[in-house]
Parts: sequence; structure tokens; C-alpha cells
Amino acid sequence: NAGVTQTPKFQVLKTGQSMTLQCAQDMNHEYMSWYRQDPGMGLRLIHYSVGAGITDQGEVPNGYNVSRSTTEDFPLRLLSAAPSQTSVYFCASRRTGTGNQPQHFGDGTRLSIL
Amino acid sequence: AQKVTQAQTEISVVEKEDVTLDCVYETRDTTYYLFWYKQPPSGELVFLIRRNSFDEQNEISGRYSWNFQKSTSSFNFTITASQVVDSAVYFCALSSSGGSYIPTFGRGTSLIVHP
Repeated sequence: NAGVTQTPKFQVLKTGQSMTLQCAQDMNHEYMSWYRQDPGMGLRLIHYSVGAGITDQGEVPNGYNVSRSTTEDFPLRLLSAAPSQTSVYFCASRRTGTGNQPQHFGDGTRLSIL
Repeated sequence: AQKVTQAQTEISVVEKEDVTLDCVYETRDTTYYLFWYKQPPSGELVFLIRRNSFDEQNEISGRYSWNFQKSTSSFNFTITASQVVDSAVYFCALSSSGGSYIPTFGRGTSLIVHP
């Protein structure tokens, strides 16, 4: 099993450009989420989904869109990139049920906005 | 609301020293789960341990041990005889019923083990 796969691993964008960070999991997990990691800030939740067709906002959703058309995929879209969105982005998934399941993380996408 | 505080931003030790990483949590729920994750310099996030609110037994796994104390709302992580390979950022996380089991992470503690 591949687990959680994120693409690309690195990306440089210019201010105002848009792009989509891809996330796919092959574990049939219903819960998926996106985090951003910034120095000294830990992991902050951007958006999450509890199943196909269901998404919700996390702590820092502004400037990002998500959709969940399938159980496997949970792409994160930057609508108009800003330097403040320079960060490392992690996608995660876990089994549903109660919250006792640990999250499985992808390897991250390092994004720089110039 | 739920909150996780890792007050230690960075800890530096010499190999073979014991080190404890602190984690203090806040939640009003009686059912909740606590986690520790490790992020080595290579950047991936690795699950280490989970503990539920009904089980206050401490756990030991090799050089790693975890001390869960509900009375002080703490879930501390101790590494005995630290090694250079333990150098990483360690995150504590909490999920609770009142938070819809959406995990909240602490800001992480960077552990540097010098040879």
C-alpha cells in the first residue's frame, strides 16, 4: 500500500497564480484533512472532510478551496497564491469511528510563493 | 474548545541523557484521545502512541515512555538514554468528542541530541 501520496513535493509559484495540491490515499479512509506547517506554529488545520461530498473549514481556511468527489482524493486549491501561503502542506487521513484512530500523513508539499 | 500546549520550543541534550517532553492539554470532554507524533529531519510525520482518557496506565516501549496524568492534564513523553537518531520535532495532539474528534496539535518541541 502506498498510504497517503502527495504531489508535487516542491513547488514555486508567483503571487497571484493558482494551483492544486494533490492528495490521494489507498486505505479507504473516510476522514481526510489538510494542514499547513509554519515555523513555531505547529500544524494548523486548513480544511477537512469526513467523507465523499462532505467538507468543512478548519482553523485557517482563507485562500484555500477543497472538494471531495471520491473517497481516495482530496485536492487542495490555492485560488490566488500569496507570499503568506509559503509553507509546508501535509495531507492526512484516518479511519472513521471515534477519534482514537491515528492519522496517516503524506510526505508533505513544500510550497514557496514569490 | 480544546487546546494543547507544548511549552518547550527546543530542547538540546547530549547523547545518553534522559529527556522529557511536556504536553499539557485542555478539554471539557470526558472522552478524548491523546497522541504523540515524531517528525525527523527528513520531514515525514510518524505516529508514536495513542492514549484514551479512560486509561491512565503509563506505557513503555523500549527507550520511550509516556506518563498520562489526568489530575494535571498532562501527557508527557520521556526518552531514556537519548540517541542522535531521536533528534526530531515531536508533536502532541488531542481529539475529543466535543471537538468532533478533529485533532488539535501542539506547536511541537524540537529535540536536538548532540553526540
